[in-house]
Amino acid sequence: GAGVSQSPSNKVTEKGKDVELRCDPISGHTALYWYRQSLGQGLEFLIYFQGNSAPDKSGLPSDRFSAERTGGSVSTLTIQRTQQEDSAVYLCASSFGGVGDIQYFGAGTRLSVL
Amino acid sequence: GENVEQHPSTLSVQEGDSAVIKCTYSDSASNYFPWYKQELGKGPQLIIDIRSNVGEKKDQRIAVTLNKTAKHFSLHITETQPEDSAVYFCAATPYNFNKFYFGSGTKLNVKP
Repeated sequence: GAGVSQSPSNKVTEKGKDVELRCDPISGHTALYWYRQSLGQGLEFLIYFQGNSAPDKSGLPSDRFSAERTGGSVSTLTIQRTQQEDSAVYLCASSFGGVGDIQYFGAGTRLSVL
Repeated sequence: GENVEQHPSTLSVQEGDSAVIKCTYSDSASNYFPWYKQELGKGPQLIIDIRSNVGEKKDQRIAVTLNKTAKHFSLHITETQPEDSAVYFCAATPYNFNKFYFGSGTKLNVKP
């Protein structure tokens, strides 16, 4: 596609439920990133995929968070047993994967945990 | 790891005035410094970037300066317009490493 696509754009869930967020990167981009943006805060790195290499999961805040990338393209971020503090905008970005390559962001998924 | 600090957190200027946003970083290995603009309801978009082998870069009304010795870099917007109103983020990434460290953002408000 023309840009990074994320779905859903908004997600409201109840505390304790699991949620899945989806990211479609730009075609040909080998690197994919997930970030979390809490209200009024900067971007918090969550996880990074590069090609077929093992992902860098160093930013995941707890074991309730996981992500996978199937076929080197689409990625899903899963949050299990959601908590109210998980409420945030989850942003996905992709790049060609070279050092310092520009990251292109999707519009994000706004997650609200009630 | 890298730590990027950004200030001010909010900035209000009159249309036509200049705006300056400053960031500092801690890791001397960082060598790439992008700036992103985020409009309401949208993802961040790259507006300008600078690599450590140059001290300044300009693109029309925006410019970025880098002081490697002091480990700080700044975004300069001249002749501001209402459409410049947005949240601006700086970021830094160390050489040969693809993890970007972002500042906390600056909300710029340009008053017409």
